[in-house]
Amino acid sequence: EVQLVQSGGGLVQPGESLRLSCAASGFTFNNYWMTWVRQAPGKGLEWVAIIKKDGSETFYVDSVRGRFAISRDNAENSLYLQMNSLRDEDTAVYYCARFLEWISIPGWVDPWGQGTLVTVSS
Amino acid sequence: DIVMTQSPVTLSVSPGERATLSCRASGSVNRNLAWYQQKPGQAPRLLIYGASTRATGIPSRFSGSGSGTEFTLTISSLQSEDVAVYYCQQYNNWPPWTFGQGTKVEIK
Repeated sequence: EVQLVQSGGGLVQPGESLRLSCAASGFTFNNYWMTWVRQAPGKGLEWVAIIKKDGSETFYVDSVRGRFAISRDNAENSLYLQMNSLRDEDTAVYYCARFLEWISIPGWVDPWGQGTLVTVSS
Repeated sequence: DIVMTQSPVTLSVSPGERATLSCRASGSVNRNLAWYQQKPGQAPRLLIYGASTRATGIPSRFSGSGSGTEFTLTISSLQSEDVAVYYCQQYNNWPPWTFGQGTKVEIK
């Protein structure tokens, strides 16, 4: 069974850091682009960051570029999101997810992790 | 960036009736569009990719259509378990990969 199990998250103050983890199983991890998507309370989905299969390329939404870093450990089948200089507006449920490819480009997302809540508040 | 706009915001449909959800892109995304279902308290689930291809295990009452800038998700006969928020997502112009704001489907 393809599975993504997340850990990390919690309550932090503005300006602090947090690291999210995502453990993958049931598929060949290094064959897939991986991503983080977030959902603020009562809001829609927002793509945050993506990393290529071998970790050689990353992309970020403008609002987190320079503060967040996505990484992966293919030997450990794990995905990470290091979040620095957190702001109130980063409060959200964060999902890790696998990107499926269409003609060698990342296309749609399946499956999704269970989500982990990050709350940034003083 | 491509902006995805979904309508209506909320859709109330009687059980067994058809539900029609719309998604409009601010520029052409060809057929590079996916649909997701998110039930309350759960992670999203992939329904449709390539505008019209159902994902594995998705019931046949769910269908997708459209190309370019106009797309539709149809639930042919609404069941109680279909109550959820539905999102479209384009993957033609990236980054970023953009989602619509969602349509909430409820039982009338």
